[in-house]
Amino acid sequence: GAGVSQSPSNKVTEKGKDVELRCDPISGHTALYWYRQSLGQGLEFLIYFQGNSAPDKSGLPSDRFSAERTGGSVSTLTIQRTQQEDSAVYLCASSLGTSLTLQYFGPGTRLLVL
Amino acid sequence: DQQVKQNSPSLSVQEGRISILNCDYTNSMFDYFLWYKKYPAEGPTFLISISSIKDKNEDGRFTVFLNKSAKHLSLHIVPSQPGDSAVYFCAARSRGGQFYFGTGTSLTVIP
Repeated sequence: GAGVSQSPSNKVTEKGKDVELRCDPISGHTALYWYRQSLGQGLEFLIYFQGNSAPDKSGLPSDRFSAERTGGSVSTLTIQRTQQEDSAVYLCASSLGTSLTLQYFGPGTRLLVL
Repeated sequence: DQQVKQNSPSLSVQEGRISILNCDYTNSMFDYFLWYKKYPAEGPTFLISISSIKDKNEDGRFTVFLNKSAKHLSLHIVPSQPGDSAVYFCAARSRGGQFYFGTGTSLTVIP
């Protein structure tokens, strides 16, 4: 497809389990962003990649969160030992670069931690 | 701490009238501002943007105004249409390339 895709679209997990969320950016987009939107909250920046490197990891809420990007394309956001407060919609976006360009968002992964 | 704020969580407007969505920011070093529109169960889609060197940008029914001295951004939609009903997010970009989003304003356009 031509857009950003994310999988799974929905994930229900038990507290304490690990989850992996995947993002496939638009082909050729070098920048990739992860955000989350919790109920009643705005979009919270988590991390962004320029190529395979993540210059800024300060947005990750805790050390249970990690992200990687391989081959300058697909990215995986991993949440270890999930907690109920991790329940949110996790959105991925990509852009041609971090300069004056637009971000294209995926549909998000809805995570529910029971 | 929220660097981009949308203080009105919701707004209702009659069809054909003007919708004005407001956004305030705290960081004077933001260099680019955007508005996104989001329908339920979809990711946000880009609507309109403005560089910090400008004070107005217009695209059809949508106009964004930037008041740098007040650190205030607004989106005007005129005339408003029922299909404009959505959540609107204001976003600002830092020089480091990060984007900061407001909490959104839910617009309802009443037919």
